[in-house]
Amino acid sequence: QVQLQESGPGLVKPSETLSLTCTVSGVSVSTYYWSWIRQPAGKGLEWIGRIYSGGNTNSNPSLKSRVTMSVDTSKNQVSLKLTSVTAADTAVYYCARDGGWLQPLEYWGQGTLVTVSS
Amino acid sequence: SYVLTQPPSVSVAPGKTARITCGGNNIGSNSVQWYQQKPGQAPVLVIYHDSDRPSGIPERFSGSSSGNTATLTISRVEAGDEADYSCQVWDINNDHPIFGGGTKLTVL
Repeated sequence: QVQLQESGPGLVKPSETLSLTCTVSGVSVSTYYWSWIRQPAGKGLEWIGRIYSGGNTNSNPSLKSRVTMSVDTSKNQVSLKLTSVTAADTAVYYCARDGGWLQPLEYWGQGTLVTVSS
Repeated sequence: SYVLTQPPSVSVAPGKTARITCGGNNIGSNSVQWYQQKPGQAPVLVIYHDSDRPSGIPERFSGSSSGNTATLTISRVEAGDEADYSCQVWDINNDHPIFGGGTKLTVL
């Protein structure tokens, strides 16, 4: 059974870096793509980016300059860093297993709320 | 960039059929996914590849896509179907998934 669990600070100060980890169980992170998605309160889903275990990444053009993703196969985790955050980055952040080109985001973590505030 | 348009809300009586649309330029040539999201919960995939259902999703959920519109149909609607539903396709030019704004389904 594939399970994903996001973790990280729930509060980040403006201009600082948001760092989240997604711990995966039931499947190796060495297979599939892994995507990050976020959802501001009361708004729709926004794809942030994806990473494959080989290190290949792809990011939303609107966030690309601020996004870094990595994979730790020894811990079966994927990570997200978003730099220079503002209040507009306040959202629930999800990780999801990404089947790749034209495939669905089949498994999602429960999400973690990150608030950007001083 | 590619834009998906969904109605903000759809209301339906229990036992009736709900239809939620997702509009996009030539969406019929893309691969459409639908996600159900209940308050405080993560999205759940209910339809993929336009009309396929993941295991565990009731047959009451079906999907179709043609031209500029994709449709999620929920037959014999139940109170438990009340949720937000979001469509998702691929931005072919930029190789990434994009989502519609979501539709809140209210069961009267």
